[in-house]
Amino acid sequence: DSGVTQTPKHLITATGQRVTLRCSPRSGDLSVYWYQQSLDQGLQFLIQYYNGEERAKGNILERFSAQQFPDLHSELNLSSLELGDSALYFCASSVGTEGNYGYTFGSGTRLTVV
Amino acid sequence: GESVGLHLPTLSVQEGDNSIINCAYSNSASDYFIWYKQESGKGPQFIIDIRSNMDKRQGQRVTVLLNKTVKHLSLQIAATQPGDSAVYFCAEHDQTGANNLFFGTGTRLTVIP
Repeated sequence: DSGVTQTPKHLITATGQRVTLRCSPRSGDLSVYWYQQSLDQGLQFLIQYYNGEERAKGNILERFSAQQFPDLHSELNLSSLELGDSALYFCASSVGTEGNYGYTFGSGTRLTVV
Repeated sequence: GESVGLHLPTLSVQEGDNSIINCAYSNSASDYFIWYKQESGKGPQFIIDIRSNMDKRQGQRVTVLLNKTVKHLSLQIAATQPGDSAVYFCAEHDQTGANNLFFGTGTRLTVIP
């Protein structure tokens, strides 16, 4: 157990729908990062939050949004889902705002859009 | 983000042999590098890291080598075991950019018993 909790583990939904993925960071970590991993692909950075505020944005679609709550858990909202959004979505956390202490990853949410 | 690429997408080794996984990076401003291991159905797991002021770092059965001249990173696994079968990612931290980690596409290591 890495200490980063993601729910749900699996999600199957239809095109056009909206889903919410949840992440609880490791205790003491203030930063949360979201990554998307398509089949046999690398990890694409989506967005980072630090202590409730958006810190950095990567290749995140406008249909996607995220937020970090006062208790530091984060949610990734995916709307108007398309077949191509099927992927593993990982959340990671770190103590600070920078990546030079490494990230701790959760076990991911597998999203299947049918 | 800058590209972090891997020379070999797949690597098969015999159990007990040493494995070498390579990674090329393009951003000379990157100051920190990490190797992650991802087993099937799991999230990436930290293996070893190295800062740009170092050339080599050793862990338990793993060694990371950094060659800043040619922007190359490698992960060496000694006496490879079946449990080492996984996808290995290198990641770089760009101190001047978005201050995040950027990952390569990964190398799938298969250990043959």
